[in-house]
Amino acid sequence: GAVVSQHPSRVICKSGTSVKIECRSLDFQATTMFWYRQFPKKSLMLMATSNEGSKATYEQGVEKDKFLINHASLTLSTLTVTSAHPEDSSFYICSARVLGTSGGQPQHFGDGTRLSIL
Amino acid sequence: GESVGLHLPTLSVQEGDNSIINCAYSNSASDYFIWYKQESGKGPQFIIDIRSNMDKRQGQRVTVLLNKTVKHLSLQIAATQPGDSAVYFCAETSSYSGAGSYQLTFGKGTKLSVIP
Repeated sequence: GAVVSQHPSRVICKSGTSVKIECRSLDFQATTMFWYRQFPKKSLMLMATSNEGSKATYEQGVEKDKFLINHASLTLSTLTVTSAHPEDSSFYICSARVLGTSGGQPQHFGDGTRLSIL
Repeated sequence: GESVGLHLPTLSVQEGDNSIINCAYSNSASDYFIWYKQESGKGPQFIIDIRSNMDKRQGQRVTVLLNKTVKHLSLQIAATQPGDSAVYFCAETSSYSGAGSYQLTFGKGTKLSVIP
């Protein structure tokens, strides 16, 4: 149980393109989803917290107009990298918490999206 | 800000030996800790967790130890196998997050390499 699906797994596109990444909880509902960015051989860096039906909360230094987050349902959150540039190339990972659980529960992660901007 | 860190960035062990991966945390408010395994090109996979009211928890071939006095967390893997080769991250959070978002703070990660 608690499977999170992330799509696409890999994207290669030209500079200036906007890219949408989907994060779905397949067998559970998630009020809260999280978006992370990971550079090679580095740890996960939280970008934003996505809350169903409300605006996302962004971490300091993350441009909300650059990284648009939409959490329209209890099973889907999307991250759109707008007007992507080479410096946006990275590994983006989402996670989700099971609805109704207390804080002492793990986040479940998708398999990430490798974004490469040419 | 407060963060979670690791003592060893890399660890090589012989197949069949036991592995110990260590983690230090500094946020005294943290009361829930998780170990994740991340294989190349994939997302983190949950291994085991522990709450602050415990000092030891065992799973299948894995044991997590928590020492709140020195703010130290460890992951022990028994009879390490080649399939255990991956990067291991500790993560911590407070189950009473004021923001209600239960954000995780990740450590830097330890790369475990199993020698056949």
